Amino acid sequence: DIQMTQSPSSVSASVGDKVTITCRASQDVSNWLAWYQQKPGKAPSLLIYDASTLQSGVPSRFSGGGSGTDFILTISSLQPEDFATYYCQPTGSFSLITFGGGTKVEIK
Amino acid sequence: QPLLQESGPGLVKTSETLSLTCSVSVDSISSRGFYWGWIRQPPGKGLEWIGSVSYTGFLYSKPSLESRVTISVDSPKKKFTLRLTSVTAADTAVYYCARRFGSGWHFDSWGQGILVTVSS
Repeated sequence: DIQMTQSPSSVSASVGDKVTITCRASQDVSNWLAWYQQKPGKAPSLLIYDASTLQSGVPSRFSGGGSGTDFILTISSLQPEDFATYYCQPTGSFSLITFGGGTKVEIK
Repeated sequence: QPLLQESGPGLVKTSETLSLTCSVSVDSISSRGFYWGWIRQPPGKGLEWIGSVSYTGFLYSKPSLESRVTISVDSPKKKFTLRLTSVTAADTAVYYCARRFGSGWHFDSWGQGILVTVSS
């Protein structure tokens, strides 16, 4: 089974900071990767798919990159509404669907 | 984006069958390219995909849950239903319905979620 490892598991940051989250897959997933944001008590929402394509309506301060096994989610200037937990997920096949352990972005 | 809304019992007894319905606000739930599925999240934990059914009615499911999972679609009513048999406390979670649309298995629309507790 594929394993998705996110780091860090949590990060404390201030409004305006640049935040970077990494996701490592245990096998090559090409660019088949999605990122989600989940706020407390809410459903996840899709941020990025195909590793770097921004979902409609998502602010441009979010960006994604990487391919193969190593991926990155960047928030260029953290806003108050961005404090949440972020998950990565491989999307190339139904047999690969699993979610990373999550990265909690907290207020510093 | 379509609106999805889960409904069903919040409490299920151990060894019984969990049944949840997702109502979808789309013109046609059977439109080409739509896959409808379920993802769950135990309290305080991460996300787990359960399964999805395609617009052709084909079921894709997580191998470890495959023997207990059924997802069916009621196209006229624009609803789809999850049935998970022989539940245990480990099945206690918030259950989300979600849509896959596009070339990758990402989920672009989600319901708000419903907490289901399994208890004897």
